[in-house]
Amino acid sequence: GAVVSQHPSWVICKSGTSVKIECRSLDFQATTMFWYRQFPKQSLMLMATSNEGSKATYEQGVEKDKFLINHASLTLSTLTVTSAHPEDSSFYICSALGQKHNEQFFGPGTRLTVL
Amino acid sequence: GDSVTQMEGPVTLSEEAFLTINCTYTATGYPSLFWYVQYPGEGLQLLLKATKADDKGSNKGFEATYRKETTSFHLEKGSVQVSDSAVYFCALTHSGSARQLTFGSGTQLTVLP
Repeated sequence: GAVVSQHPSWVICKSGTSVKIECRSLDFQATTMFWYRQFPKQSLMLMATSNEGSKATYEQGVEKDKFLINHASLTLSTLTVTSAHPEDSSFYICSALGQKHNEQFFGPGTRLTVL
Repeated sequence: GDSVTQMEGPVTLSEEAFLTINCTYTATGYPSLFWYVQYPGEGLQLLLKATKADDKGSNKGFEATYRKETTSFHLEKGSVQVSDSAVYFCALTHSGSARQLTFGSGTQLTVLP
């Protein structure tokens, strides 16, 4: 149980385009979802926390207009990277937390490359 | 703020060797401590955790003891297997409910047959 999926697993896009990444909890209801960014050989950095039906809470330094997060249902959160640029290339990882859980369950990550 | 420092990798060991991956932390109060493992192409999985000083977390032959006096939570395994090859992350949280995780940079472990 407690499986989290991400789609797509990798994406390549042109500079200036927008990319949407989906995060789904497959067998539980996720009241909270987290989005992380990971640079090569570096730690996971929390970007934002989203609760179902409310606006996401962004960490300091994360542009909310660039990284749009929507948590419209208890099983789906989306991260949209708007007007992507090469510096947005990274590995994006989501995690989900259910009401009865005391640990986060992580998705496999999405590799974004912006040309 | 909180921070977690892990030994830099990559670490390469022969099968059945002893493993230690060092982890130290800086935090106020009494955080909960975690080790996560990330196998190739997969998401992070919780490996073990400890929520108070002197607690020992263990799973799949891995162990780590919460040492408040040295602010450490080193990961150990007596005899590694090829299947243990992965990236290992040390992490902490204050809330006790796994929110707001602070991660170390990760340590790549490769076990050779």
